[in-house]
Amino acid sequence: EVQLVESGGGLVQPGRSLRLSCSASGFQVGDYGMSWVRQASGSGLEWVGLIRSRPSGGTTDYAASVKGRFTISRDDFNNVAYLQMNSLTLEDTAMYYCTRSLTVAGAVVAFWGQGTLVTVSS
Amino acid sequence: QLVLTQSPSASASLGASVKLTCTLNSYYINHAIAWHQQQPQKAPRFLMRVNNDGSHSKGAGIPDRFSGSSSGAERYLFISSLQSADEADYYCQTWDTGFQLFGGGTKVTVL
Repeated sequence: EVQLVESGGGLVQPGRSLRLSCSASGFQVGDYGMSWVRQASGSGLEWVGLIRSRPSGGTTDYAASVKGRFTISRDDFNNVAYLQMNSLTLEDTAMYYCTRSLTVAGAVVAFWGQGTLVTVSS
Repeated sequence: QLVLTQSPSASASLGASVKLTCTLNSYYINHAIAWHQQQPQKAPRFLMRVNNDGSHSKGAGIPDRFSGSSSGAERYLFISSLQSADEADYYCQTWDTGFQLFGGGTKVTVL
């Protein structure tokens, strides 16, 4: 059974950094595309970024709103994906979801974690 | 620029059916999309992928009451025999080289 468990959220001051983790089970994180999606309170879903599967090159892409500040990586040995968030702003306050693609090379988000809440506030 | 448009809300009576629409801008008329359901205070859940030819493939455990189809730039999600548990936000998702995009979501109310 595919499971995704996020951790690392919390309260952080503007300008500081935070790293979110996504522990996966039931599959290998390197075998699928892993994306992060966030949702501000009362708002819709916003794609943050992705890391492609190893067969697809393992490259990353990011939404314009986070490019240059956020970095997605993974640890294949420990089967964890990460979202490193730097220079956080108030607008980054949201629930952050880790997701997995449906297929090795596909972009359809097929599995969701339960989310971890990030609050940026002074 | 890739754009997904969804109506903000839809409603139907318990036991009835509802059709949700996700519209792609014309340049992306052949794109597939995915539908996701988010019940109140829960994480989203993948429902299905809908291709431009109307074929669709559902996630594990998704009831037969949920189906998808396509016409031109529109992608549909049909929910029949509405249940109270179907009251949720429904998001479509698509993708292109280097990015993914979600529609604004449709809030379904079961009357």
